[in-house]
Amino acid sequence: AQTVTQSQPEMSVQEAETVTLSCTYDTSENNYYLFWYKQPPSRQMILVIRQEAYKQQNATENRFSVNFQKAAKSFSLKISDSQLGDTAMYFCAFMIATDSWGKLQFGAGTQVVVTP
Amino acid sequence: EPEVTQTPSHQVTQMGQEVILRCVPISNHLYFYWYRQILGQKVEFLVSFYNNEISEKSEIFDDQFSVERPDGSNFTLKIRSTKLEDSAMYFCASSGPDQPQHFGDGTRLSIL
Repeated sequence: AQTVTQSQPEMSVQEAETVTLSCTYDTSENNYYLFWYKQPPSRQMILVIRQEAYKQQNATENRFSVNFQKAAKSFSLKISDSQLGDTAMYFCAFMIATDSWGKLQFGAGTQVVVTP
Repeated sequence: EPEVTQTPSHQVTQMGQEVILRCVPISNHLYFYWYRQILGQKVEFLVSFYNNEISEKSEIFDDQFSVERPDGSNFTLKIRSTKLEDSAMYFCASSGPDQPQHFGDGTRLSIL
């Protein structure tokens, strides 16, 4: 069974600063995907970034980047130049890559609050 | 950009009643999912659906739950006899081959 752990319940960051959210996971699988989803107060689930486990290069999407350490089973998210609209709950998620219909397994989430 | 659409946005139902939550996945997606998020908790997988049948379900998805794709566009989740603990946000998601799952805006289900 896979587990996803987010150890930071809440993080506060000032506008324009950088914040890093941690995520660790436990799996015996070799092929999998990792994701970060954002859930603003409206409670939508928005995909932020995706990482394939077979890729060594860390994924980036504009101000969002990840630090993927496969051996350590760590997948942190860095938000650069934080904006007020980044205030949201951020969920780390894991999916086995064996089947296209793989379920997502989520961590407990980290609440990010961006202050002016 | 295509989206997953869920209706209604909020459903209030008496305990013991049946409820149907509706979803229209992205049109060229083949894989469909339902997830649940109890207030303040993490998102939990309920069921995945492919080729007109359930491909995987969690222990939460007991006999009270069913899913259906009644036509070429809709994907529904039915809860036969609702309980207080079914109160949650229910998310539908869909994906194509080698594509990440895209979520709808969710249906907030309140059981009285």
